[in-house]
Parts: sequence; C-alpha cells; structure tokens
Amino acid sequence: SAVISQKPSRDICQRGTSLTIQCQVDSQVTMMFWYRQQPGQSLTLIATANQGSEATYESGFVIDKFPISRPNLTFSTLTVSNMSPEDSSIYLCSVQRGPGELFFGEGSRLTVL
Amino acid sequence: AQSVTQLDSQVPVFEEAPVELRCNYSSSVSVYLFWYVQYPNQGLQLLLKYLSGSTLVKGINGFEAEFNKSQTSFHLRKPSVHISDTAEYFCAVSDRSTDKLIFGTGTRLQVFP
Repeated sequence: SAVISQKPSRDICQRGTSLTIQCQVDSQVTMMFWYRQQPGQSLTLIATANQGSEATYESGFVIDKFPISRPNLTFSTLTVSNMSPEDSSIYLCSVQRGPGELFFGEGSRLTVL
Repeated sequence: AQSVTQLDSQVPVFEEAPVELRCNYSSSVSVYLFWYVQYPNQGLQLLLKYLSGSTLVKGINGFEAEFNKSQTSFHLRKPSVHISDTAEYFCAVSDRSTDKLIFGTGTRLQVFP
C-alpha cells in the first residue's frame, strides 16, 4: 500500500483567509485526486491532478477557489481560497492503486470560523 | 452519470449479530465496485472490491459482499459483528471507462454490547 502524508492534519482558520494543504506520496503516481467530505456527508471529488498539466475540476469546483499544484510525481497541494464557514470539511488526498481503486491519506480537517 | 445509493444512513446492531449494509448503483455498464470503511477521525480504508470474476467477494475483518448485476446491487455482509466494527461504511462505484470513483452517502454502523 502507498503511504500518503497530508499536512496539516487539522487547522482552524479565519473567514477570508486561504490555506494550502500538502500531500506527499511515498512512490511516484500518475494521478492524484482531491476529495472533500463535508460534515456528516459523503466524499465529493474536487479535481484530478496530473503532473505537468492543469488539474481537471469537477462540476461545482473552480480553479480560483481551489487552486492545485502538482510539481512532481510524488507531491501535490490544494489551496482553499477566501474561506467561508461553508468550506469547513475534511479534505482528502488520494492516489490510484489498481483499476478504479483509491488509497487515501488521513485527511486534513479544516474548520473556518 | 453514475450514482450510488446507500439506503440506510444508520444501522444499529448488537454485538455478535449479523449485519447487511445495502448498496445499489445506477448504471448497467461495466463497473468496478468497492466498500470503504472510515473509523472515527481517520481516513478511508478499503474493505473489499469487485473487479470481475466471482460475484462473492471477501474482504478484511470478516466482511464480504455479493455483486448482483441484475439488481445492480453490492450489499456488504458480516455474519457476526464486533464493537470494533463501529464505523462509517461507504459504497463506491467506478466506471471502467473513466476510472472516477463515485461514493454513496455512507452508512453508520453502530454496534452495541
């Protein structure tokens, strides 16, 4: 199994600020995926991050709000910009391990006041 | 578009009793099917997966699931649950053509002594 490290594991932020979440994988992977899990809800795919190209965003998510970087095959960042309380969620980084199968990090729990 | 329905948001059960968590998916095209478990304050862990072959799939911690193509279902079962099985369980489907993983809304399994 892959080892995925996410930082920070949790944070409390003020409305209007931005936070960058880092995801480090212990092996090279082609695609990395960012998910959001709002309180008491399921996981929603935000975007797919490929190395060397712009991230592909799902419906309802835009680059200005969730800019993503993918500088190499083991690292990615997700920024949550101009935060509001509605952005309070767990943000999860994941990588593909086999057909359709994802391996997840522990997640970054964000609370916006 | 693919969708996943988990009919039960919560399932309370006593220790050592059998349990079934229900999952139905929308599409009849070729799919991969998964069950993930999320323990409190942790990331997601793969329980089991169906890619092809035998319709009865065995996973970790004594769980199993059966793929039923005609009913588009992938119900999760365990013959005897433990207190430690208390967690949130997510069913997920991946369209073989896109590899995107779509999650259900989750079922909270609460095991009582």
